[in-house]
Amino acid sequence: QSALTQPASVSGSPGQSITISCTGTSSDVGGYNYVSWYQQHPGKAPKLMIYDVSNRPSGVSNRFSGSKSGNTASLTISGLQAEDESDYYCSSYTSITTVVFGGGTKLTVL
Amino acid sequence: EVQLVESGGGLIQPGGSLRLSCAASGFTVSSNYMSWVRQAPGKGLEWVSIIYSGGTTYYADSVKGRFTISRDNSKNTLYLQMNSLRAEDTAVYYCARSTVHDYVWGSYLDYFEYWGQGTLVTVSS
Repeated sequence: QSALTQPASVSGSPGQSITISCTGTSSDVGGYNYVSWYQQHPGKAPKLMIYDVSNRPSGVSNRFSGSKSGNTASLTISGLQAEDESDYYCSSYTSITTVVFGGGTKLTVL
Repeated sequence: EVQLVESGGGLIQPGGSLRLSCAASGFTVSSNYMSWVRQAPGKGLEWVSIIYSGGTTYYADSVKGRFTISRDNSKNTLYLQMNSLRAEDTAVYYCARSTVHDYVWGSYLDYFEYWGQGTLVTVSS
């Protein structure tokens, strides 16, 4: 089972919006609404940011939003802030191996 | 407050065994779905194993037959017994409370809501 495909890096200036894509197949992203996103700062544990494609856990800023179209899910961060600089991973249920993660995207706030 | 604290990592020779522990507080391990997720140095996340509240277990193909997930209800602790370790098992291992949708027709591992801080396992001679 290959990892979901994410861009290696994205960047944006403070106040701007950025979108990170996560492309899978009909066996994972396209077949189920069980897509989640995690933020991971260097040396820290991942933190759940979005679950079930577009839901935010309590305490997560509404600047973070998720969506899905076909086999591609997206994480959008609006009003970029310095503390958003981090690695982001998508994840999806898969009928093949239970759960598959994306390769990760490094977000740089310029 | 939910808290997960892993321990048991360290340096181990190829072919050796190690047992990781994940002490939970703020909730009951046996009433929840608990997973292990690992991250090789500089790499992405990889799901390793899950134990359902009912005791059913699942493993990634990469560790099947070598790793065993279990729990001690009296200690509210999750474990990962790792045998026949290989260099490619080198990673930070996280325990995570998981959300699973369990239906008669199937179960779906959805997301990982709470994570521990991780414990590093290094397999090297």
